[in-house]
Amino acid sequence: EAGVAQSPRYKIIEKRQSVAFWCNPISGHATLYWYQQILGQGPKLLIQFQNNGVVDDSQLPKDRFSAERLKGVDSTLKIQPAKLEDSAVYLCASSSDRVAPYGYTFGSGTRLTVV
Amino acid sequence: AQTVTQSQPEMSVQEAETVTLSCTYDTSESNYYLFWYKQPPSRQMILVIRQEAYKQQNATENRFSVNFQKAAKSFSLKISDSQLGDTAMYFCAFMKLANFGNEKLTFGTGTRLTIIP
Repeated sequence: EAGVAQSPRYKIIEKRQSVAFWCNPISGHATLYWYQQILGQGPKLLIQFQNNGVVDDSQLPKDRFSAERLKGVDSTLKIQPAKLEDSAVYLCASSSDRVAPYGYTFGSGTRLTVV
Repeated sequence: AQTVTQSQPEMSVQEAETVTLSCTYDTSESNYYLFWYKQPPSRQMILVIRQEAYKQQNATENRFSVNFQKAAKSFSLKISDSQLGDTAMYFCAFMKLANFGNEKLTFGTGTRLTIIP
């Protein structure tokens, strides 16, 4: 079984620029998550999708962050405009509703540096 | 809201020795799951061990075992016969029981474990 794919692996941008991250979950996984991991901290949930609907986006800074999951498969997370404090690793994860709670798989993340 | 606390930012131990990582949590939920994840430099979160709160028996996976104290809200990880490949960040995580599917994970701040040759 292929894992959760994320791209790019690294990204460096200047503040006020925009950036987008892509995630392809494991085939058949209905639930997709985006986590933000700031250096020295544990991951924090930004948004959770169930198929193509949003379950939880309470921690998503909606003035600058947006996310979508078209057709309930791939997902894109966008930041516009970026701030210095957005420097972090962005982890995507997916899970199977049929294997709760053990079917939770993470991707390798995108490391974003905002300068 | 749930909180997870890991009070040991860094630990180191000699290869082949035993090490215990601490974790405490706070929740008003009665049904939940607890996890330990390992994050090597590759950044991918790897599940080490899991514990269902309704089970009194402590979970064990080969060299990894937990000490789950529900009343004290404590969930420590013991690594026996430590190996160089165990060097990584270790995160304790909490998930409340969902009616369907999976809930979000709430993570602690992590413990950086170094195994010394």
